[in-house]
Parts: sequence; C-alpha cells; structure tokens
Amino acid sequence: DTAVSQTPKYLVTQMGNDKSIKCEQNLGHDTMYWYKQDSKKFLKIMFSYNNKELIINETVPNRFSPKSPDKAHLNLHINSLELGDSAVYFCASSRDPGLVATGELFFGEGSRLTVL
Amino acid sequence: SQKIEQNSEALNIQEGKTATLTCNYTNYSPAYLQWYRQDPGRGPVFLLLIRENEKEKRKERLKVTFDTTLKQSLFHITASQPADSATYLCALRPKGGSYIPTFGRGTSLIVHP
Repeated sequence: DTAVSQTPKYLVTQMGNDKSIKCEQNLGHDTMYWYKQDSKKFLKIMFSYNNKELIINETVPNRFSPKSPDKAHLNLHINSLELGDSAVYFCASSRDPGLVATGELFFGEGSRLTVL
Repeated sequence: SQKIEQNSEALNIQEGKTATLTCNYTNYSPAYLQWYRQDPGRGPVFLLLIRENEKEKRKERLKVTFDTTLKQSLFHITASQPADSATYLCALRPKGGSYIPTFGRGTSLIVHP
C-alpha cells in the first residue's frame, strides 16, 4: 500500500486554466504539506496543514489554495495557471510536529505540472 | 537571511570509497537536521536525523555529523555502491515556531563501478 499518494502524476495544461492535484495519506498522520520543486531541484514549502492550523508560505500566490476534506487528504487547487507554475509538486505528511518535533516527512511520488 | 547550502556540483566517486556530502547553514538555529535521499522522478525518502545536542549518528553504512559551531553537517556513505547514486537533501527544522522543515537544494552523488 502506498503511504502517500498523489494524482495525477503528470498534468499538462494551458495558461489561465484551473487545476487540482489530489493527495491522500494512509499513515494516520496529523499534518500534511505541499512542497514545490522547481527546475533547479529546490524543494520549497508552500503549505503546512493539520486539524488545528494552516500555515502558508507568504511567498505563495493566492492563486494556490489547499483544501482538506479530512485528515487523510490535502488537495492543491491552482487558479489561473501561469508558465512559472510549471514544476513538480510534492505532497508529504508527518506526525504532528507539535507533539513529535523530530518526525520525518513521508513524501508522495510528485505531480509534474507543465503549463503551456 | 536564512540559508541552507549544499554543493550544487555533482560528487563523482569510485565504488568502494567513502562519499562525504556537506550541508552548511547560516542565520539558523535548528533543533535538528534530517537527511533525505531522492531518486529521479521520485519523492524524497528520509534517511537519518541528528539533534542539535548530538555530534554523530550512524545507521548501517551511513554516518551523519552535526557541528553547531561550524553550522555544518556532514553525511558520509562508506563502502559506496552504484545503487547509492542519487540526490541527497538536508533539511533543517527550527526550534519552535511552525516546525516546518526547510530543505537544501541537494547534492547529486554518482558512484562509478
């Protein structure tokens, strides 16, 4: 069983479109994350979310929004896609860092978004 | 500003040798530091964690050191194998605050047979 799964793995779309990437974890973790990995392989935090708090990286445009229907899911919605949004997006989960500050992150396989 | 630096150039070594990767940081007070491995087209996978009050940690052929005075962590793979070829990322978790790990850019390791 895959611990953290993301869909779709590949997404090609036109500028201006709205798209979503789904993420599910079956590890029973309390906290989920979205990271963006650009062409230079730099892994940058976008959001962190648990049942208590949403932490947003202030540099993330408000065209990006996380949506969590329940503890096991954290989806990423992107409105009005731009060329610069092309990247690989990784979902991750961990135990609540407020309780287990040393908890490692478990990553999904990534979703490669290409905006044309 | 806070920075985490890893050598952007690939490290090429011969099979059987020890690979040493470096993670330097500035303007940071990490509670602990983690190392991850990332293979092409895959997500990062956790390898080791070392706390600020620990000098060294080992796991099988892996060894991590942490020097908070130098603000540096070294990651060693002994008796390296071609299967160790991957990108290795260090991540720092700050004390308090959001606890969100910040990643370095990673260093690519290539082990030649």
